[in-house]
Amino acid sequence: QKEVEQDPGPLSVPEGAIVSLNCTYSNSAFQYFMWYRQYSRKGPELLMYTYSSGNKEDGRFTAQVDKSSKYISLFIRDSQPSDSATYLCAMRGYQKVTFGTGTKLQVIP
Amino acid sequence: NAGVMQNPRHLVRRRGQEARLRCSPVKGHSHVYWYRQLPEEGLKFMVYLQKENIIDESGMPKERFSAEFPKEGPSILRIQQVVRGDSAAYFCASSHSQGAGNTEAFFGQGTRLTVV
Repeated sequence: QKEVEQDPGPLSVPEGAIVSLNCTYSNSAFQYFMWYRQYSRKGPELLMYTYSSGNKEDGRFTAQVDKSSKYISLFIRDSQPSDSATYLCAMRGYQKVTFGTGTKLQVIP
Repeated sequence: NAGVMQNPRHLVRRRGQEARLRCSPVKGHSHVYWYRQLPEEGLKFMVYLQKENIIDESGMPKERFSAEFPKEGPSILRIQQVVRGDSAAYFCASSHSQGAGNTEAFFGQGTRLTVV
């Protein structure tokens, strides 16, 4: 079993839709949770960073962490074509960051 | 990307040659991670280094690959005697500390290695 499982893509949605991206994990030592956005042929860009269970909002993005279920989510409201990218969840305990395989999102105008 | 610099951006090597990939972390960051990404796949951890120390190399192939992060200068990922299967994008990330706070990693733009 992989330490981090990410829902498979690709995911295609119409402009303006609410997007839900999810990851589950098995390592209870993970304490810090991140979401990255990666455009084609670019490096991953940090979007959201959370520590505790609950919600964290930043503009159209909301990160949700449920440590009891070992489940994290990223919600994108009012999705735009510019949100089309691969989204990677990431998490870490004390040392290295472990990534999900990524979900490719396409927002259709 | 908060200042992580990787070079070269593109590198072409013939089979059997050596590839050297360089990563300069964000100023003040003392932790460096290297990842490999194959087309249509996620990021795969290779190695985690602090200044002058390899902390975790569990993702590194046992042969031909090595990494260093000297006291002065960039971190180097070296691939000796490259083969076609080494063709991939190699990303470097850096972070500030391992304690609470400021532990997120920032990435460079990657080096795309093509072995011909």
